[in-house]
Formats: sequence, C-alpha cells, structure tokens
Amino acid sequence: QKEVEQNSGPLSVPEGAIASLNCTYSDRGSQSFFWYRQYSGKSPELIMFIYSNGDKEDGRFTAQLNKASQYVSLLIRDSQPSDSATYLCAASGSARQLTFGSGTQLTVLP
Amino acid sequence: KAGVTQTPRYLIKTRGQQVTLSCSPISGHRSVSWYQQTPGQGLQFLFEYFSETQRNKGNFPGRFSGRQFSNSRSEMNVSTLELGDSALYLCASSSGGSGYSTDTQYFGPGTRLTVL
Repeated sequence: QKEVEQNSGPLSVPEGAIASLNCTYSDRGSQSFFWYRQYSGKSPELIMFIYSNGDKEDGRFTAQLNKASQYVSLLIRDSQPSDSATYLCAASGSARQLTFGSGTQLTVLP
Repeated sequence: KAGVTQTPRYLIKTRGQQVTLSCSPISGHRSVSWYQQTPGQGLQFLFEYFSETQRNKGNFPGRFSGRQFSNSRSEMNVSTLELGDSALYLCASSSGGSGYSTDTQYFGPGTRLTVL
C-alpha cells in the first residue's frame, strides 16, 4: 500500500510566525511531490510542487524534499489568518496518480 | 486561461439510481483524473484518462466508470448508487506529458453528490 502520512493537527500558529507542515511517503518510486491548500467547502488549490532534493522557494512558501528520508515539508513564513486551511501533501510516481495524505489543518491566530 | 470546470456542482440522488458527472479540463490539457473526497477516506484516486484512453485506475468497484471525448472533456458515471457514494467528486487536469512539471494537476470546483 503506497502511503503518504501527515500530522492531522490541528496546528495553530500566531500571525507572523512560521508554520511547518510535514509529510512522509512510503513509495520510493514517488518522483514528484505536491502541496495543495484546501479551504473548507472548496477544492484543493496547488501551492507548489517539488521533485529535486533540497529547497524550493515561492514567495512565503518553501518546500523541502529529502528523498533519502522520504520526507517532504512545507514552510509558510509570515503566516497570515488567510493561510488558515487544510494543507494536503501528495506524491506522484510513474503512474501519475496522486496519492494524498489526510491533510493538516492549520489555524493562524490573529 | 479558464480553469477546470465541473457540472453539476450539486446533485441529490437516491439509492439505486445512476449519475453522470462532467468535467472540462484546462484548454490544452489532455489528461483528466477523477478523485473522490470523503471525511473518512480523504482524497482517493478513481481513474485517469489521456487521449480518450483510461491510462490508470484506482481501487474502486466497477460501478464507477468514466470516459473521455476527443476534445478532452471527461464524464464519470456511477451506477447503482449507495449511501457511501456521497462525497465530493473532484476532477483534475494536467498536460499529461512526460516531464515532472507536466504531472501537475489542477482541480476543478468539484461536484457534491448526496445519496439519500
């Protein structure tokens, strides 16, 4: 069973702080990793993807990938109340289907 | 560029009925994937279509089927509905090519199906 695991949270951080979201995956054949944000009642919205070891930055967001440890993370700097949502980690292998974690619920407190 | 569109947005059916959901991908995208999202199971992959062919299939019963048309639009059908089929059905499109970035899937707004 190919699995993606996330801490379900909830995770609460104060406004302006760094939020750290973590994800591990079991399938070493996974090649690409995605972070989606999902607001309540809405569909998932892509934040960023990563497929090389190391860090990838996009604005306030940084994705980190460590294939040896099978670990993916997302850092959100200067967290805002509008970042309050469920964050979904997904892995994609040669079959291209996305395997999702259960999501981490983030609350940014004003 | 217009995003992924799905119709209808909401649907109420009774057990035993069948339902057809529709998805129009982003212009130029040739791959359409379908997912089911429930509070208990999360987001689960149903199937993927590329160039009118089912390229990949998840672990769902045969009551769940789909197809893709030459314009890349896709439909998903669920026959003999069960209460447990109540869920948000999401369609995602990607270019479907061979590079990593082309795996990136963009989701539509979803169809919320309620089975009574």
